[in-house]
Amino acid sequence: NAGVTQTPKFQVLKTGQSMTLQCAQDMNHNSMYWYRQDPGMGLRLIYYSASEGTTDKGEVPNGYNVSRLNKREFSLRLESAAPSQTSVYFCASSDTSTGRNIQYFGAGTRLSVL
Amino acid sequence: AQSVTQPDIHITVSEGASLELRCNYSYGATPYLFWYVQSPGQGLQLLLKYFSGDTLVQGIKGFEAEFKRSQSSFNLRKPSVHWSDAAEYFCAVGPISSGSARQLTFGSGTQLTVLP
Repeated sequence: NAGVTQTPKFQVLKTGQSMTLQCAQDMNHNSMYWYRQDPGMGLRLIYYSASEGTTDKGEVPNGYNVSRLNKREFSLRLESAAPSQTSVYFCASSDTSTGRNIQYFGAGTRLSVL
Repeated sequence: AQSVTQPDIHITVSEGASLELRCNYSYGATPYLFWYVQSPGQGLQLLLKYFSGDTLVQGIKGFEAEFKRSQSSFNLRKPSVHWSDAAEYFCAVGPISSGSARQLTFGSGTQLTVLP
């Protein structure tokens, strides 16, 4: 059971470079999320997608863009990476049709911006 | 705005000892409550959840948590800790809603160290 799959697992960028983090889920969930995790700050929501074709900003959206490509895939793009975006990024998905929003997480992408 | 406080940044216990991790939340109504565990280099795994009903909920790996409405708390407990429980633990709160995504708000985490 794959669950939520994120690629790549590790990435090093130079300031100003761009990249896209990929996320796919095979649980037929309607909602997907991108979080960043920084020491002592828990997880903070960057963007989420309630359903295919919709996206909304979370707590810390600046510097990021997202695309809900289809029901399975939700990508996060850094157009011009900055050292402040050095973090661990997690994708999650949930079935919110029951209203209970149990989120399932991928293994994360560890990003360093030099 | 909802918030979650985990007052203990780091806890150290001996293997076989009991464990309690604290979680307090601020929310306008009874929320959904979750505990997740993160092992080093891994993603978050759901330990247990509270939606309604019995305020003592059982989870995986022998963990349990008790919802106390009067104290706005959802503390995580385990009677006897194993070395494999060393990890970071996150409490999260989410609104009761249906039909669309609603974000979870996470605490800052508690790092658990288990001594042999």
